[in-house]
Amino acid sequence: EIVMTQSPATLSVSPGERATLSCRASQSVSSNLAWYQQKPGQAPRLLMYGASTRATGIPARFSGSGSGTEFTLTISSLQSEDFAVYYCQQYNNWPQWTFGQGTKVEIK
Amino acid sequence: EVQLVQSGAEVKKPGESLKISCKGSGYIFTIYWIGWVRQMPGKGLEWMGILYPGDSDTRYSPSFQGQVTISADKSISTAFLQWSSLKASDTAMYYCARRSATTGFVDYWGQGTLVTVSS
Repeated sequence: EIVMTQSPATLSVSPGERATLSCRASQSVSSNLAWYQQKPGQAPRLLMYGASTRATGIPARFSGSGSGTEFTLTISSLQSEDFAVYYCQQYNNWPQWTFGQGTKVEIK
Repeated sequence: EVQLVQSGAEVKKPGESLKISCKGSGYIFTIYWIGWVRQMPGKGLEWMGILYPGDSDTRYSPSFQGQVTISADKSISTAFLQWSSLKASDTAMYYCARRSATTGFVDYWGQGTLVTVSS
C-alpha cells in the first residue's frame, strides 16, 4: 500500500496570506495525485488532479506542483471560503487508491 | 448535470444488515467506475472499493475485503454498499464517488450517508 503523509496537520493562516500544504508518497506516484477540499458537513470537492491541473471552476489562487513523491498545494491569498480540510489522494496504484490524513486550514 | 444522490441516514443495531444506495444521473452510468469512501467521525477519508457497472467488475481495498459488498443495478443507475452484520465500528459517513473517465481521480461525490450503529 502506498502511504500518503500530509503536513502540517493544522495550518493557521490569516485571510489574505499564503498557505502551503505538503503531501508525500511512500513511493513514486508519478503525477497521479489529486487534491480535495472538504468543508464541515459537506462532501469532499475535487480541486486539483494530475498534481497541477485545476478542476473545473476552481479559482486560480489554488495551484499544485510536484511529481514522484513530493507534492504541494498552494493557496496564494486565503479567502474566508478556503478554510477547510484538504486531502491528497494518489491514484497511481489502481485500484488501491489512498488518501492522506488531511491538513486543516484554520483562521489565525 | 452529473449527480450522485445517496440514500438517507440510517440508525441500526449491532448484528443487523444494511444496504445503502447511490443513484447516478446526468451521465451514462455503465461506463464510469463508482466507488465508496468511508469517513469515521472526526477522521479522514478511506477508500473501500470500486465497481464498474457495465460488467460488475468489483475491486476492494484489502482493509474492507470480506467486510462489505459493493454491487450495482444498472437498470436503475444505482450502486449499493451493504453489510451483513454491522458493528459499532461501522459508524461513519459513507460517500459514493465517481472515477473520472480519463484517469483515476474522483470527479463527483455523493452527498454522503450517515450510518450509526448503536445498541
